[in-house]
Amino acid sequence: DQQVKQNSPSLSVQEGRISILNCDYTNSMFDYFLWYKKYPAEGPTFLISISSIKDKNEDGRFTVFLNKSAKHLSLHIVPSQPGDSAVYFCAAYDSGYALNFGKGTSLLVTP
Amino acid sequence: DTAVSQTPKYLVTQMGNDKSIKCEQNLGHDTMYWYKQDSKKFLKIMFSYNNKELIINETVPNRFSPKSPDKAHLNLHINSLELGDSAVYFCASSQEGHRGSGEQFFGPGTRLTVL
Repeated sequence: DQQVKQNSPSLSVQEGRISILNCDYTNSMFDYFLWYKKYPAEGPTFLISISSIKDKNEDGRFTVFLNKSAKHLSLHIVPSQPGDSAVYFCAAYDSGYALNFGKGTSLLVTP
Repeated sequence: DTAVSQTPKYLVTQMGNDKSIKCEQNLGHDTMYWYKQDSKKFLKIMFSYNNKELIINETVPNRFSPKSPDKAHLNLHINSLELGDSAVYFCASSQEGHRGSGEQFFGPGTRLTVL
């Protein structure tokens, strides 16, 4: 049963505008969340994370927001650049070591 | 220098064969993982080793056996390959002290195709 859900398989945004990628989870025991970026034929690379004790974490153009009551997080990229075009995975830790991944959202940033 | 490396990158083989995928990390991490990305692009944990000891063993056929000769290596052996084993397999590592937090570093993946 999938505990991390990314319901938008794809998103297209114009260069310079904001990209918003969404993620929902069902397991209330999740307390640490990460976003990964993946280019074709490469492994996922870490982008940004957030602990459940926070509701926002920012790193340059990337900001992650966490709404624990709604079990929802989002990744904002502003301004979006063509090099941001990739698949973005939301992931969460359960009580152990394993990451639970969503199915990913493919972001296309057009010039 | 590549932090997490996997060999081979591509593996094409016949049903029924036995094959291995190797993984090495040079980050000094204590914990290593194998994930499988299936045709639906869903990334799912298979195994995790912490300091050469198995700590996660998800519901995976026992044809799959991980082996960790030392904490920098975690190899995946697959016996009697089946068509459904076709997928991309990713190795990853993380620091043991970051259980339940911190990032995992992923290798480039091994695309296994079973004919």
